[in-house]
Amino acid sequence: DAGVIQSPRHEVTEMGQEVTLRCKPISGHDYLFWYRQTMMRGLELLIYFNNNVPIDDSGMPEDRFSAKMPNASFSTLKIQPSEPRDSAVYFCASSLAGQDYEGTQYFGPGTRLLVL
Amino acid sequence: GQQLNQSPQSMFIQEGEDVSMNCTSSSIFNTWLWYKQDPGEGPVLLIALYKAGELTSNGRLTAQFGITRKDSFLNISASIPSDVGIYFCAGQMGNSGNTPLVFGKGTRLSVIA
Repeated sequence: DAGVIQSPRHEVTEMGQEVTLRCKPISGHDYLFWYRQTMMRGLELLIYFNNNVPIDDSGMPEDRFSAKMPNASFSTLKIQPSEPRDSAVYFCASSLAGQDYEGTQYFGPGTRLLVL
Repeated sequence: GQQLNQSPQSMFIQEGEDVSMNCTSSSIFNTWLWYKQDPGEGPVLLIALYKAGELTSNGRLTAQFGITRKDSFLNISASIPSDVGIYFCAGQMGNSGNTPLVFGKGTRLSVIA
């Protein structure tokens, strides 16, 4: 199994530019999570989807952030316009919710974003 | 929001020594998990705990879920160089993979050969 795939792995952009991060979850998984990791705040949930439908987006910092999941095998996280404080590592994770005590969340390698 | 207090923030130990780190929360969680993150990679699950008081081992790793459901510890015995990394505790409200994780700030482990 290929695992969770994220692209790009690294992104350097200038303030004000649009940034799009991409995620391909593990095939068959029905939950997809976007987390952000910073030195100050650690790992925090941004948004998560179930069967392509957003369930909770309360962690999205502000209107500059948006996420979509057009199908079961693809999700995007977009920042427009980007700001230096958005610099962080963005992780995508997926899981298959099943019986109790199952359904580990598997993380992708992350996208390291630097906004200058 | 919910927060997990993880300690220590960092540790420097000699190869072969045992390691202990812990996590506490003001909230009750139904599931506690321990992840490890290597440089440039995403977190990888080490141990999952589902029942209060549960003690679970995975090789040299042992973790326990506190009976109050508000704390957990992770022990690593006989540390080796590849144990280097950042260890995170995480709490989860559900018992399966369908609820978000709340993470501690991590314990950075360095092993001196």
